[in-house]
Amino acid sequence: EVPLVESGGGLVQPGGSLRLSCAASGFSFSSSEMSWVRQAPAKGLEWVSYISSSGAAVYYADSVKGRFTISRDNAKNSLSLQMDSLRVEDTAVYYCARYGGLTLGTLAFDLWGQGALVTVSS
Amino acid sequence: DIQMTQSPSSLSAYVGDRVTITCRASQRIDRYLNWYQQKPGKAPKLLIYTASNLQSGVPSRFSGSGSGTDFTLTISSLQPEDFATYYCQQSYSTPSWTFGQGTKLEIK
Repeated sequence: EVPLVESGGGLVQPGGSLRLSCAASGFSFSSSEMSWVRQAPAKGLEWVSYISSSGAAVYYADSVKGRFTISRDNAKNSLSLQMDSLRVEDTAVYYCARYGGLTLGTLAFDLWGQGALVTVSS
Repeated sequence: DIQMTQSPSSLSAYVGDRVTITCRASQRIDRYLNWYQQKPGKAPKLLIYTASNLQSGVPSRFSGSGSGTDFTLTISSLQPEDFATYYCQQSYSTPSWTFGQGTKLEIK
């Protein structure tokens, strides 16, 4: 059983919108802090967004602030990333990842999905 | 943001070699430093958290050390499956996490 599975990636034109989803299983999703991390083609890793276990706290990288919205549905074990006003530079593989935080004690991204490719191009 | 700089950017080594990768932070981050391994087309995998703690299931040939601004990841005896790209990541500045640029470890 794969603990995190992303979906919703695809090709979108600049200025368009896309919604990514991440289905969680096999662990206590409702107790878990979650994030999105992206990786542009042949580039390194970039943290994008964070949401607390309850959803009360959300944070964004400056590069996506005001354009992306993170949310979660603990009843459905689901994490989402709504991406609006997309730019060519948003092209990347987007990973959902669990942040171990103080609850798990790792203070690291200890579970990752397989990734969803988002391509922004005209 | 805290900048993380890894060295070298790439490295060639033989199976059985001892390898060390360095990560330097632009400011002190105590021991809030994690290491990941990524193979082509795959998601990153957590190896070491808070500088020196081995993640469950990770072979003991991997070890981490350091504090403050300078950190190292050591692989004591390289195995064929260890050839990959390695990233460091700071978790001191929460929630503005940042990663190093990566170190690609290749077979010589």
